[in-house]
Amino acid sequence: GESVGLHLPTLSVQEGDNSIINCAYSNSASDYFIWYKQESGKGPQFIIDIRSNMDKRQGQRVTVLLNKTVKHLSLQIAATQPGDSAVYFCAEDNYSTLTFGKGTMLLVSP
Amino acid sequence: DADVTQTPRNRITKTGKRIMLECSQTKGHDRMYWYRQDPGLGLRLIYYSFDVKDINKGEISDGYSVSRQAQAKFSLSLESAIPNQTALYFCATSVPGTADAGELFFGEGSRLTVL
Repeated sequence: GESVGLHLPTLSVQEGDNSIINCAYSNSASDYFIWYKQESGKGPQFIIDIRSNMDKRQGQRVTVLLNKTVKHLSLQIAATQPGDSAVYFCAEDNYSTLTFGKGTMLLVSP
Repeated sequence: DADVTQTPRNRITKTGKRIMLECSQTKGHDRMYWYRQDPGLGLRLIYYSFDVKDINKGEISDGYSVSRQAQAKFSLSLESAIPNQTALYFCATSVPGTADAGELFFGEGSRLTVL
């Protein structure tokens, strides 16, 4: 999930597939993590969060997995739909503010 | 009506001009934030405020200042705009968790272009 320069990592999937978006975080002391979705021309919107005392949390069609050993988060989207096309950001709590990753663009084709 | 409102939504200005971006919220949250978004760099924290009397610098505060006029209002100023401040700016609010930032609620963004 890390970008190089100005290029955003992109995941292209077919409608109906499951999508997995990955994120590496930096602070081993972080105990709260959030995934946000940003559609073109809009502000980021909350998808799901997880605290460090959990390994997995499920929402509607989304699941977040947390691996504290390797400081890794993933967002799984089931049965991906065209409306899921957006940029997805992970964020970690950093002394009561959120530090965001660089984002991954998800493109869903019909 | 949006819970977090940013004005202006778009602004084009010239190098050296003073610019103010305004944010108002109807969510009743104490915490407010200003982030900057650049392509491929995600969102970076400029300033944040945990209540009316509290102002804190974020990761990239140089060249910016803020004012927390009321619980509902948090403005960001560029005293002398420069071209590398061309970016998309987001205001956000939150209710803190037990010991963390909590969920942030974002405005629609203010696109600033400095020529």
